[in-house]
Amino acid sequence: EDQVTQSPEALRLQEGESSSLNCSYTVSGLRGLFWYRQDPGKGPEFLFTLYSAGEEKEKERLKATLTKKESFLHITAPKPEDSATYLCAVRSYGQNFVFGPGTRLSVLP
Amino acid sequence: DGGITQSPKYLFRKEGQNVTLSCEQNLNHDAMYWYRQDPGQGLRLIYYSQIVNDFQKGDIAEGYSVSREKKESFPLTVTSAQKNPTAFYLCASSTSITETQYFGPGTRLLVL
Repeated sequence: EDQVTQSPEALRLQEGESSSLNCSYTVSGLRGLFWYRQDPGKGPEFLFTLYSAGEEKEKERLKATLTKKESFLHITAPKPEDSATYLCAVRSYGQNFVFGPGTRLSVLP
Repeated sequence: DGGITQSPKYLFRKEGQNVTLSCEQNLNHDAMYWYRQDPGQGLRLIYYSQIVNDFQKGDIAEGYSVSREKKESFPLTVTSAQKNPTAFYLCASSTSITETQYFGPGTRLLVL
């Protein structure tokens, strides 16, 4: 059974303090790993899809990387508007998406 | 603007009542999904549909029903058999079930 865990559960940063969020996964054959951002009371917003180990993608202050067992979402010089819950999901061959519980990020001014 | 709409934003259910949540998309996506989100838990799949007039149960289908009569629409009914319906419900769509899913704004269901 596919499983996804995310750490930490919550992270508080000062504005400009770079850090990383972790997504660890166990799947039978990875078809894709997905990162989403979710603001309170709203639907998740798609950020990145990664398909194979070694792949990296960037968008503004965010950079996602992928290994065979985990993915990291690196946040460089975060701003208060980066505060949100970040969700990770995986899809393996023949299976539906499996979502992790998310990491709640707070960036203080 | 292409996107996914869900209505209503808030819905109140009385005990023993069936309620229906609306989901519409104009992205021309073939696949549509319904998820339930509870605090501290990942999204859990209720039902999904790959094409019109076809749908499959997800991990937590008991107490829910769906229909897919049009490509654009995938309504979810929360029946009286669902004993713990209070949650945030999210609809999503994708070009196919293997591709990136895009989400609507969600409906929060509360029990009176």
